[in-house]
Amino acid sequence: QVQLVQSGAEVKRPGASVKVSCKTSGYPFTDYYVHWVRQAPGQGLEFMGWIYPKNGDTNYAQKFQGRVTLTRDMSTSTVYMELSSLTPDDTADYYCTRENWYYANWGQGTRVTVSS
Amino acid sequence: DIVMTQSPDSLAVFLGERATINCKSSQSVLHSSDNRNYLAWFQQKPGQPPKALFSWASTRESGVPDRFSGSGSGTDFTLTISRLQAEDVAVYYCQQYRSGRTFGQGTKVEIK
Repeated sequence: QVQLVQSGAEVKRPGASVKVSCKTSGYPFTDYYVHWVRQAPGQGLEFMGWIYPKNGDTNYAQKFQGRVTLTRDMSTSTVYMELSSLTPDDTADYYCTRENWYYANWGQGTRVTVSS
Repeated sequence: DIVMTQSPDSLAVFLGERATINCKSSQSVLHSSDNRNYLAWFQQKPGQPPKALFSWASTRESGVPDRFSGSGSGTDFTLTISRLQAEDVAVYYCQQYRSGRTFGQGTKVEIK
């Protein structure tokens, strides 16, 4: 079955970067876009960007342009999301999703806490 | 960007009664090329990722109970829970995928 398994919780200082992994299985890795969505505590869902693993193409929401980088490792079917210049407002749960037009499958989420 | 607006922000319903959530998009999410509405509904319970309930506005995901239904077209959509069960307590989100990806702000459903 389709699975997306994310890396564990992170605590970072303001100004640092964080890199979250999303290991996929159960489907052809190169055939589906992987999107990232975040959710601040008690808040709604926010699209961050996507990567197409077949060719590495990426697209980022304007809000995160210049701060987020999505990459992939074809040998392990893993996608990475790196967010830089962290502030306390980046404290959130970060989710990867397999996109098949809509978000059919989700990772379990990774809590990133930014605090001094 | 297409803005998605849900109403109400929260609602409390008696067990066994109907719950209705509305979602309005700032532009039509109906694509003329295939006559499909590019709209999904998600359910999120505390501490869990969202779970897809419906795609294409009204196509129920496998395993979703039939007391859930999705309807609407163009800019106005509805998620209905015909007979609320305790396990349906959650936050519900609509999302458009017609142009980029945007979510509604969420509707919290509780038991009265």
